[in-house]
Amino acid sequence: DAGVIQSPRHEVTEMGQEVTLRCKPISGHNSLFWYRQTMMRGLELLIYFNNNVPIDDSGMPEDRFSAKMPNASFSTLKIQPSEPRDSAVYFCASAQGGSNEKLFFGSGTQLSVL
Amino acid sequence: GENVGLHLPTLSVQEGDNSIINCAYSNSASDYFIWYKQESGKGPQFIIDIRSNMDKRQGQRVTVLLNKTVKHLSLQIAATQPGDSAVYFCAENTGTASKLTFGTGTRLQVTL
Repeated sequence: DAGVIQSPRHEVTEMGQEVTLRCKPISGHNSLFWYRQTMMRGLELLIYFNNNVPIDDSGMPEDRFSAKMPNASFSTLKIQPSEPRDSAVYFCASAQGGSNEKLFFGSGTQLSVL
Repeated sequence: GENVGLHLPTLSVQEGDNSIINCAYSNSASDYFIWYKQESGKGPQFIIDIRSNMDKRQGQRVTVLLNKTVKHLSLQIAATQPGDSAVYFCAENTGTASKLTFGTGTRLQVTL
């Protein structure tokens, strides 16, 4: 298995532009998570899906952030418009979906908003 | 202004010695705990987990200890190697699906 696949690996954009981050979870995993990692706040959960349905989006910072999971093998995290304070590493993770299951993380997208 | 980031505690260990990384978790209702290792430029990688009905679990060169009374978790690494250098995070499951809450992390530096 290739693991959780994220793209792009790096993204540099200008303030105000739309940014779309992509994730392909591990096949057979029912839960998908988007985390953000910064020096200031560490690893923060933004949103998670179970069976393609958003379950908890309380970590999404504001309306500029949105996430979708149109099918079991693909999810996007969109920031529109982007701001410099959105600069961070964004991780996608997946799990088999039951309670108390370990998460498998992708390699992350390093986002820089200038 | 100045960017004041998280100050990661750092543990320096000589190659071959044992390492002990500690973590205090927050929720007494948490029933599942995981240790992750994160190397520079990579995502967190699973090391070992433990459920709340246990107080010790061993893997290959790693042992996790859980003390629910004081809400404390530790990771012991035997015969630490240079490849063990990384940031180590503890994470707790607060019971909702597989939602994990992460600690701030500890940086392990292995000296030769």
